[in-house]
Amino acid sequence: DSGVTQTPKHLITATGQRVTLRCSPRSGDLSVYWYQQSLDQGLQFLIQYYNGEERAKGNILERFSAQQFPDLHSELNLSSLELGDSALYFCASSGQTGYYGYTFGSGTRLTVV
Amino acid sequence: AQKITQTQPGMFVQEKEAVTLDCTYDTSDQSYGLFWYKQPSSGEMIFLIYQGSYDEQNATEGRYSLNFQKARKSANLVISASQLGDSAMYFCAMRGPGANNLFFGTGTRLTVIP
Repeated sequence: DSGVTQTPKHLITATGQRVTLRCSPRSGDLSVYWYQQSLDQGLQFLIQYYNGEERAKGNILERFSAQQFPDLHSELNLSSLELGDSALYFCASSGQTGYYGYTFGSGTRLTVV
Repeated sequence: AQKITQTQPGMFVQEKEAVTLDCTYDTSDQSYGLFWYKQPSSGEMIFLIYQGSYDEQNATEGRYSLNFQKARKSANLVISASQLGDSAMYFCAMRGPGANNLFFGTGTRLTVIP
């Protein structure tokens, strides 16, 4: 157990639908990062939150959004889902500097049918 | 811009032998961090080893060592005494100064042969 908890582990949904992925960071970590891993794009950084505020944005689609709550858990919302959104979505957490503490959750495998 | 290159899509190694997984990087920053992660078939990303750009000695963590050649911009992972459980995808990643996220390479699939 890495200490980063992601739910659900698997999600199957239809095109056009909306889903929410949840992440609880490792105890004490203030930063949460979301990554998407797909066969054709590899591991892509989506977005980072630090202590409730958006800190950095990567290749995140406008259909996707995220937030971090006061208890530091984070949610990634994916809407108007397309077949190409099928991927493994990872959450990672780190301490202030992040140099040593990038800890990944086990991921949520999203399948859009 | 930062870039990580892993040129070996797949590698095979005999059990108990050592193997080197290649990673080269491109950055104009002087301060950066290099990471290696392991992704077994179950999917989770497992942190293996970290090397800072100012670290003079190569990082080691148990059977893992990082062969850091700064002038060549390479950060190869060496796994000694390979075990069957080492069969997995291995990703090299970099973080630059002021950036909070990791840039990942495309990965190398390692297969350990009994």
